[in-house]
Amino acid sequence: GDSVTQMEGPVTLSEEAFLTINCTYTATGYPSLFWYVQYPGEGLQLLLKATKADDKGSNKGFEATYRKETTSFHLEKGSVQVSDSAVYFCALSRSGANSKLTFGKGITLSVRP
Amino acid sequence: DAGVIQSPRHEVTEMGQEVTLRCKPISGHDYLFWYRQTMMRGLELLIYFNNNVPIDDSGMPEDRFSAKMPNASFSTLKIQPSEPRDSAVYFCASKAGRFGNTQYFGPGTRLTVL
Repeated sequence: GDSVTQMEGPVTLSEEAFLTINCTYTATGYPSLFWYVQYPGEGLQLLLKATKADDKGSNKGFEATYRKETTSFHLEKGSVQVSDSAVYFCALSRSGANSKLTFGKGITLSVRP
Repeated sequence: DAGVIQSPRHEVTEMGQEVTLRCKPISGHDYLFWYRQTMMRGLELLIYFNNNVPIDDSGMPEDRFSAKMPNASFSTLKIQPSEPRDSAVYFCASKAGRFGNTQYFGPGTRLTVL
């Protein structure tokens, strides 16, 4: 079945540090890939997405590139801020009648001033 | 435009009581999803609807859980009887269309069963 694997957390960084959060997936066909972010006490929000190989999703300084050859969708940001502290979820959605999202376990990011 | 609305935001109840969680999806969205989030199991899909019809309820943990969508603007998730292990945050999400489209999440209902 479909699955998403995220690197183990939590991650703690200093402000302005470079961020990479790894995500790999297993799925048949050509899934769409997503990064969702959950701020404390809130629901999940879409951060960025990519729907085909080599697409790059970007938003709020975050980027992720859909790499079919390595089945990966790693999240990066060049300079994190304290306000980026949140839980980040990688997810996939497969085509066809199955329209649901499969999520990774999520990783908590804490950014210190 | 209002997002996904869930009520109540917090619910504290005693074991054995019936709990009903409510969700209003974004207007025009034809898919609705119910998720449960716990520290141990992460984010789990319980059930989803398309055009008010349940499509996949394989994630519903047991018969104590039931979900309905009587119309396009309202859904309920009911737990009867509730147990302490049902304590979690329950999210509702909706989206328009099928493949690749974004799911929009509500703020969640934090359920505590004593």
